Amino acid sequence: QQQVKQSPQSLIVQKGGISIINCAYENTAFDYFPWYQQFPGKGPALLIAIRPDVSEKKEGRFTISFNKSAKQFSLHIMDSQPGDSATYFCAARYSGAGSYQLTFGKGTKLSVIP
Amino acid sequence: KAGVTQTPRYLIKTRGQQVTLSCSPISGHRSVSWYQQTPGQGLQFLFEYFSETQRNKGNFPGRFSGRQFSNSRSEMNVSTLELGDSALYLCASSSAGGSIEQYFGPGTRLTVT
Repeated sequence: QQQVKQSPQSLIVQKGGISIINCAYENTAFDYFPWYQQFPGKGPALLIAIRPDVSEKKEGRFTISFNKSAKQFSLHIMDSQPGDSATYFCAARYSGAGSYQLTFGKGTKLSVIP
Repeated sequence: KAGVTQTPRYLIKTRGQQVTLSCSPISGHRSVSWYQQTPGQGLQFLFEYFSETQRNKGNFPGRFSGRQFSNSRSEMNVSTLELGDSALYLCASSSAGGSIEQYFGPGTRLTVT
């Protein structure tokens, strides 16, 4: 119930292409869905986040698409650049009885080749 | 504004020992959360502190504990270390708590031998 399933595990995209990472969840008590980017040797950095009452959010080249009925959300990276090569994590926040907890997907290692 | 800082960055300990990790949140942030990151399990939530009170706790044994001080700095302690405790321990701070807009530190890499 607390799981967030992320796919693919790894992704290779040509420079200028679109990178798409998908996540699925089961628990309808999740109420906040952030994406994090992590470079080797660094902590994850918040990239973009969405709440379930919104179907899409765009910030620069990064877009989250959210499908509440299917319990799925995805990250699209437009015009992918070699500097985008990193590991991406989706997450979902559980809110219940005054308790909040982020559950993370297992991560997607993105490689953007020139 | 300075980011989240964690000390030490690297640590090697022996099984059975205990360890204390430190986290200084972004100035003005009152919430600190701790996570364990391993290749097999990914990022797992340990606990969250807000205004010196533990508000949330993940599914970890009692050997893992923490505290938060009045200046919002937080420490995490692991007693009776096991080989499986080898991981990157990440601290994240946020202004409002509740896991919204968390900013992570670089982590402490703990190796248990």
